[in-house]
Amino acid sequence: DQQVKQNSPSLSVQEGRISILNCDYTNSMFDYFLWYKKYPAEGPTFLISISSIKDKNEDGRFTVFLNKSAKHLSLHIVPSQPGDSAVYFCAASVGSNFGNEKLTFGTGTRLTIIP
Amino acid sequence: GAGVSQSPRYKVAKRGQDVALRCDPISGHVSLFWYQQALGQGPEFLTYFQNEAQLDKSGLPSDRFFAERPEGSVSTLKIQRTQQEDSAVYLCASSLAASRFFGPGTRLTVL
Repeated sequence: DQQVKQNSPSLSVQEGRISILNCDYTNSMFDYFLWYKKYPAEGPTFLISISSIKDKNEDGRFTVFLNKSAKHLSLHIVPSQPGDSAVYFCAASVGSNFGNEKLTFGTGTRLTIIP
Repeated sequence: GAGVSQSPRYKVAKRGQDVALRCDPISGHVSLFWYQQALGQGPEFLTYFQNEAQLDKSGLPSDRFFAERPEGSVSTLKIQRTQQEDSAVYLCASSLAASRFFGPGTRLTVL
């Protein structure tokens, strides 16, 4: 039972354009959502997060949108840069982010930025 | 180094062998997690420690998997009688307050 789903295994975007990565979840108990970026042979690194009490969180080129009624979130990267090429994981947890909650991850989307 | 380190980075085991994977968390981090990432999948939760106490081991797939953190710092994930389905990258993460940091993982291949 995949509680967090990333239905696009891969995405290619031209440098300078917007990258939109999507994530859906089924567990209505999830109330904190995170995006991680992963390069080959490295561990995931935290990118941006959002609490269920918000519908948008922005950090520089990265914005995460949350639609609770649709159980859907998306990550927007604009403008996209070659260094953004990586695998992106959506993750969710139950409970506020105190750092001790287990995360449920999606299967990832491989983003390739075309120069 | 300042990050989470894991050793070995790569491990090849014959089916039936026991393996031990080590995680050195960031100094002072109270929380420590182990995740298993199979090929083409996202990381899946295995177990969680708060200091030396193992508070959640609900994700351990079988009794062949055992984790410990005896002094509340370094942690070891042990897999007994490895099977081919145990082949995966094993990730360790540590956190202090809301900031989680993952190590680079140990890639385990069981032949």
